[in-house]
Amino acid sequence: AQKITQTQPGMFVQEKEAVTLDCTYDTSDPSYGLFWYKQPSSGEMIFLIYQGSYDQQNATEGRYSLNFQKARKSANLVISASQLGDSAMYFCAMREGRWDTGRRALTFGSGTRLQVQP
Amino acid sequence: DAMVIQNPRYQVTQFGKPVTLSCSQTLNHNVMYWYQQKSSQAPKLLFHYYDKDFNNEADTPDNFQSRRPNTSFCFLDIRSPGLGDAAMYLCATSSDRLSNQPQHFGDGTRLSIL
Repeated sequence: AQKITQTQPGMFVQEKEAVTLDCTYDTSDPSYGLFWYKQPSSGEMIFLIYQGSYDQQNATEGRYSLNFQKARKSANLVISASQLGDSAMYFCAMREGRWDTGRRALTFGSGTRLQVQP
Repeated sequence: DAMVIQNPRYQVTQFGKPVTLSCSQTLNHNVMYWYQQKSSQAPKLLFHYYDKDFNNEADTPDNFQSRRPNTSFCFLDIRSPGLGDAAMYLCATSSDRLSNQPQHFGDGTRLSIL
């Protein structure tokens, strides 16, 4: 079974509007972290935002916020006031387990390609 | 600035000719990863080093090897590249000291096979 599911292969949004990118996850571990990365066409992976499973509040970083609904196992990324430079591939990723369990690799979703239109 | 640097940015090699990709970091992170990312797909973990301990993913082909001579450097060796190995190869680092730390990625090496 997929651990990270991103159901939107592609999304369009008008410049200056807000957009929500969906992410659902599957884990039986009570301790986990959720990450969003942006990958422009040039290929680098840029870290955007992090949400820990025990965090009480939704994470925010500038124009990025994470709508974390733990019971539903969803961690949607909200980008406010979209800009042309936001056009990129967006990946949701999860790291399971406590920090001291040794394995710290990320499991990525299949990504959502966002295109911001002027 | 502290960062993860991958060289070269683009690599072209011939079918079956060994190739080495390099990654260096100034973050002093103890964990380093190699991912393979094919076009329009998610990154796929090949292996990672936890300090000096090498951890291979079960489905990583034997054709792929890695070396980590010190904390700062990590290499990906492809012994006999096939056409299916054409991909973006991403190096990443992280520290195990804080659970909320993201992985820091290099800009990647795009590998083409002739």
